[in-house]
Amino acid sequence: ETGVTQSPTHLIKTRGQQVTLRCSSQSGHNTVSWYQQALGQGPQFIFQYYREEENGRGNFPPRFSGLQFPNYSSELNVNALELDDSALYLCASSFQGAYEQYFGPGTRLTVT
Amino acid sequence: GQQLNQSPQSMFIQEGEDVSMNCTSSSIFNTWLWYKQDPGEGPVLLIALYKAGELTSNGRLTAQFGITRKDSFLNISASIPSDVGIYFCAGQLSTGSARQLTFGSGTQLTVLP
Repeated sequence: ETGVTQSPTHLIKTRGQQVTLRCSSQSGHNTVSWYQQALGQGPQFIFQYYREEENGRGNFPPRFSGLQFPNYSSELNVNALELDDSALYLCASSFQGAYEQYFGPGTRLTVT
Repeated sequence: GQQLNQSPQSMFIQEGEDVSMNCTSSSIFNTWLWYKQDPGEGPVLLIALYKAGELTSNGRLTAQFGITRKDSFLNISASIPSDVGIYFCAGQLSTGSARQLTFGSGTQLTVLP
């Protein structure tokens, strides 16, 4: 069974740029959730995707957007990067309707 | 913002000791989950709790879902060095069909030899 994978592991961007992060869900899982984890804090829910559509969203502005593909993999896109967007971005996969979510190793984004 | 109060924020214990941490919320949750995160890694699921009052064990770990559905605790017995890490509680509501997790701020556990 393949776990959740994310790419890249690290990324450095400049304020105002755009970034795309990628996630492959655990085999058999059809739902992907994205979380932002600032240093020293717990993860915060950004949004969830199921059947290639956004299925729920946390308190994040529209410049955070996502996609889910037919193979259940997903992308997180962030436009007009701000310094406060520097964080660890975590992807979690699950079965639709299941309570347990399984996390990938994350992508560390640094905005300068 | 986050709605869960997790305590303590950090703990230093001797190897072999038991440790307890807890989470409280102003909101009712349907499910409580406990995760452990090592540096540079994503959170790893330790225990999931589905019913108020439920007590569940996973090896040396025991967790309980509070009767009011607003709290949960995690106990680790006979701690060992590999227990070092950050422990997070997470509560889950069902918002439509989405299952979003709300996390606490974490308990940093250090185990001294």
